[in-house]
Amino acid sequence: GAVVSQHPSRVICKSGTSVKIECRSLDFQATTMFWYRQFPKQSLMLMATSNEGSKATYEQGVEKDKFLINHASLTLSTLTVTSAHPEDSSFYICSARGALLSESPLHFGNGTRLTVT
Amino acid sequence: GENVEQHPSTLSVQEGDSAVIKCTYSDSASNYFPWYKQELGKGPQLIIDIRSNVGEKKDQRIAVTLNKTAKHFSLHITETQPEDSAVYFCAAKGWNSNSGYALNFGKGTSLLVTP
Repeated sequence: GAVVSQHPSRVICKSGTSVKIECRSLDFQATTMFWYRQFPKQSLMLMATSNEGSKATYEQGVEKDKFLINHASLTLSTLTVTSAHPEDSSFYICSARGALLSESPLHFGNGTRLTVT
Repeated sequence: GENVEQHPSTLSVQEGDSAVIKCTYSDSASNYFPWYKQELGKGPQLIIDIRSNVGEKKDQRIAVTLNKTAKHFSLHITETQPEDSAVYFCAAKGWNSNSGYALNFGKGTSLLVTP
């Protein structure tokens, strides 16, 4: 089955620093990748959608200058949390979908637990 | 946009019993309904999905039913086992003016299967 790999699984950083999270589709080409954020015991909140080779589309309330998304290839998307603050601590999950937009299910990575101290 | 409601938020069953989780959606144009299982500290894993041209789908102990008229769909797990304990999310694919077609998730159901 389709595999999405997310790295790192856990990261602790100091306030003010930046953190990059990678999301890779291992056995399929992902034309679209999604980034979600999940707070404890809550549902997944869509942050942004990225299509390969174009700018990401951010959901309302998500700061695009703070959460930089790059989808440079059909197998890799990155999320960079810039100038991180403790309130950015959360579980970030990426997902990817194959080329057949209307038919492909969404596969998720295993998430990245970000803790900002 | 699409609004997905999921019930119950917590569910406790004894091993061997059945578990049913129900979801409703608001956008009649939604045509794809996946269910995800999320274990602690991990990403959601797709366990079953159904498209709007089908009323029911089964995969071993797991089944999903869809009622398009009533705009609700349900997950049924039979002969539950302790390893079924997890958080389950339903989702519906709807149109998002920002990102095009996107999945909208329910708030999740924490299922506990006790031996």
